[in-house]
Amino acid sequence: QVQLVESGGGVVQPGRSLRLSCAASEFTFSTYAIHWVRQAPGKGLEWVAVISYDGDKQYYADSVKGRFTSSRDNSKNTLYLQLNNLRAEDTAVYYCAKSMRGNYWDAFDIWGQGTMVTVSS
Amino acid sequence: EIVLTQSPGTLSLSPGERATLSCRASQIVTRDSLAWYQQKPGQAPRLLIYGASSRATGIPDRFSGSGSGTDFTLTINRLEPEDFAVYYCQQYGSSAMFAFGQGTKLEIK
Repeated sequence: QVQLVESGGGVVQPGRSLRLSCAASEFTFSTYAIHWVRQAPGKGLEWVAVISYDGDKQYYADSVKGRFTSSRDNSKNTLYLQLNNLRAEDTAVYYCAKSMRGNYWDAFDIWGQGTMVTVSS
Repeated sequence: EIVLTQSPGTLSLSPGERATLSCRASQIVTRDSLAWYQQKPGQAPRLLIYGASSRATGIPDRFSGSGSGTDFTLTINRLEPEDFAVYYCQQYGSSAMFAFGQGTKLEIK
């Protein structure tokens, strides 16, 4: 079935880096914008970033701009989120989510199960 | 940047009752680009409603969305035990911002 599976989370010290991956299956990955959304423990959802279907355009939330970078490899049906200069407030479950009809400006119809990032010394 | 405010924060109802959840935007949401998601503990969110009033694939018809402009409502008729969860609204219309509301927790009374 249509699926997204995140990986790469873990415990990391403040100021360090981490790369998350999101593997897609059972849909034409290369034709859909994909988003990253995070959720701090016990908190609500926060949109983080979006990347266009071809990887040419990315947009980021102000809270991560300049520190996080989204990229994709359509030949591998995989999305990446590079997290640099991590802060304690970046501690969260990170979800990738598929844009319903391909365009950025759409609801998110398929979500991964999430990967936990903990920033702590 | 659009800010979405959901009310109430917590809603306590019994199975079989009707739930009415509100989402108010600080600016007009263009093209009714408003979605509702359901999230249960330990699970990813699930899309319920998009375009303010269209049900996503596989969503029961007891879920309905309405509203336009700045005021939107999610109504759940005849609550089932599996409907008790946290619900988020989200705008996705423009400016590359995809703000979520803070959530409404629907709990069993």
